[in-house]
Amino acid sequence: DAGVIQSPRHEVTEMGQEVTLRCKPISGHNSLFWYRQTMMRGLELLIYFNNNVPIDDSGMPEDRFSAKMPNASFSTLKIQPSEPRDSAVYFCASSLGFGELFFGEGSRLTVL
Amino acid sequence: AQTVTQSQPEMSVQEAETVTLSCTYDTSESDYYLFWYKQPPSRQMILVIRQEAYKQQNATENRFSVNFQKAAKSFSLKISDSQLGDAAMYFCAYRRRIQGAQKLVFGQGTRLTINP
Repeated sequence: DAGVIQSPRHEVTEMGQEVTLRCKPISGHNSLFWYRQTMMRGLELLIYFNNNVPIDDSGMPEDRFSAKMPNASFSTLKIQPSEPRDSAVYFCASSLGFGELFFGEGSRLTVL
Repeated sequence: AQTVTQSQPEMSVQEAETVTLSCTYDTSESDYYLFWYKQPPSRQMILVIRQEAYKQQNATENRFSVNFQKAAKSFSLKISDSQLGDAAMYFCAYRRRIQGAQKLVFGQGTRLTINP
């Protein structure tokens, strides 16, 4: 079975540009999570969804960040406008009920 | 709020030896999961082992085992017969076991180096 699929794997953009990261969770999973990883702050939860509904977005840094889950098989994380401090690896993960999260390979974002 | 603490930023071990990574957590809940994830240089997050809090028996997966001390809120990972492929960042994580989506709370990570 396919795991969590994220795209793009790498993104280099200039400050002020819009960035869209995409995620396809494992089929049948009902929860989806977006995490950000940096050297300074480690792994931070940005937002998570249950049955396509956002449950907790308190980790979203500011209004420049938005996330959507229009259906059970797709989610996006958008940054507009992007800033150099947004440079990080962004992970998407999914799960079914209790238990472990399954992670994608991450999207490395560099904002110049 | 639940917190997870890994007090060892870095550890190293000789190949074929045994190493133990420490993790403590803070929670008022009685029903939860604990996990160890491995992140090699490829940056993929890989589940190593999981423990259900209601189980007294410590989980084991081949060369990986845990020492779960619920009263002390301690959850250490033991790697036996260390191999070069075990070199990675290791993250301890906690998740509440209740209805509805619950987030995974991570520790800061421990970087494990294997010396040949």
